Amino acid sequence: QVKLLQSGAALVKPGASVKMSCKASGYTFTDYWVSWVKQSHGKSLEWIGEIYPNSGATNFNEKFKGKATLTVDKSTSTAYMELSRLTSEDSAIYYCTRVYNNYEDYVMDAWGQGASVTVSS
Amino acid sequence: DIQMTQTPSSMPASLGERVTISCRASQGISNYLNWYQQKPDGTIKPLIYYTSNLQSGVPSRFSGSGSGTDYSLTISSLEPEDFAMYYCQQYDSSPWTFGGGTKLELK
Repeated sequence: QVKLLQSGAALVKPGASVKMSCKASGYTFTDYWVSWVKQSHGKSLEWIGEIYPNSGATNFNEKFKGKATLTVDKSTSTAYMELSRLTSEDSAIYYCTRVYNNYEDYVMDAWGQGASVTVSS
Repeated sequence: DIQMTQTPSSMPASLGERVTISCRASQGISNYLNWYQQKPDGTIKPLIYYTSNLQSGVPSRFSGSGSGTDYSLTISSLEPEDFAMYYCQQYDSSPWTFGGGTKLELK
């Protein structure tokens, strides 16, 4: 079955960067977009951006341009997101998702378990 | 960005009850609307896509409807595992945006 396994929790200092991973299994990694979603504590969900593993093409929420960098390693079916110049506002849980995108359908049909990032000195 | 407003933000309900959660977009979204469920352990799964299509494996007690700016998710008869958070999400216009969530609680 489709699985997305994310890296563990991270505690990072303000101003630093963090890179998290999302290892996909159970499907052909290069056939589906991978989206990333942020959930700040007790709050709703924010779409950060997405990457198409086959080509490396990306789309971003303008709010996260310059903050998030999305990459993939096709050899290991792993997607990565790096967040830079971290502040307390970046403390959140981050989810990777697989996107099913076909004609009128765009649905995040599989989600990772989430990766917690805490920014603190 | 398209703003998605969910109501209510929390809803106490009983087992077996029929409940409806609403989602209003700040502009028409042409039925490009999904619903997701988040359990207390953080696990998220899709329920409904393109307004009214049931995601594979989702029980038939879940249904979605709507058009234009107004959409809804209905659970026909609440089961214990349905007490969770629910989010709507539009994909008519990037950036995709989510509603603020509705917490379904046991009365």
